[in-house]
Amino acid sequence: GAVVSQHPSWVICKSGTSVKIECRSLDFQATTMFWYRQFPKQSLMLMATSNEGSKATYEQGVEKDKFLINHASLTLSTLTVTSAHPEDSSFYICSARDGRGGSYEQYFGPGTRLTVT
Amino acid sequence: GIQVEQSPPDLILQEGANSTLRCNFSDSVNNLQWFHQNPWGQLINLFYIPSGTKQNGRLSATTVATERYSLLYISSSQTTDSGVYFCAVVDSGYALNFGKGTSLLVTP
Repeated sequence: GAVVSQHPSWVICKSGTSVKIECRSLDFQATTMFWYRQFPKQSLMLMATSNEGSKATYEQGVEKDKFLINHASLTLSTLTVTSAHPEDSSFYICSARDGRGGSYEQYFGPGTRLTVT
Repeated sequence: GIQVEQSPPDLILQEGANSTLRCNFSDSVNNLQWFHQNPWGQLINLFYIPSGTKQNGRLSATTVATERYSLLYISSSQTTDSGVYFCAVVDSGYALNFGKGTSLLVTP
C-alpha cells in the first residue's frame, strides 16, 4: 500500500520560535496533500489543502500567515508553524491522495506531536 | 458541508465478542474511508468503501450510499483492536470530513 512519512514525529520548542514539519509520499506521487490537526480526545480537523505548485487553500479560521504550507514537489509538502505559542501545541497529521485511476483514497502520515513551552 | 455522525461514541467489549459501528452521512459522497487510530496516533486505513461490501480478515464494511450510511463489523475482537475508529467522507474537493469517532476498548 501507499506510504506517507512525517518528520519529526515529535518536537518541543520554545514560545516564539518556528517549527517545520515535513510530509512525504514515499512510493507514489501526490498532487494533493492535506494537513490536519487533532486535539486530545477529539477528531481530526482539516487545516489546509495543498496542491503541488500552487498556493494552499486554508480552512476558515486557520491563519495562513501562521501556518505556512509549501508543496514544492509531487512527494513533499511542508507545514511551518511560525512564532509558535502554547495554544499551537497539538498533534499535526498530513495525508496524501493517491489519485491513480481516479481514486479518492487518502493515506496518512504517522503524525507530529508539537509541544510549545 | 457534509455532516458525519458515528455511533456509538464509546464501546467496551470482552475479547471474542462481535461489534458493529455505524456511520451516517448527510449527503452523497465520492469517498468513504474507515480508519483505526492506534494509541500512538497513527491512522491505519481499514477500508476505502464509497459503496458495497468489503472484507479483510475479521473486519468487514458495508456502505449503502443511497441510504447514506456505512457499517463496520468487527468479529472475534482482540485487545489489539482497541483504539478509536473513524469514518470519513469526501466533501467538496478531495478533503476528508471526519466523524467524531468510536472509542473501542476490548478487555481480556
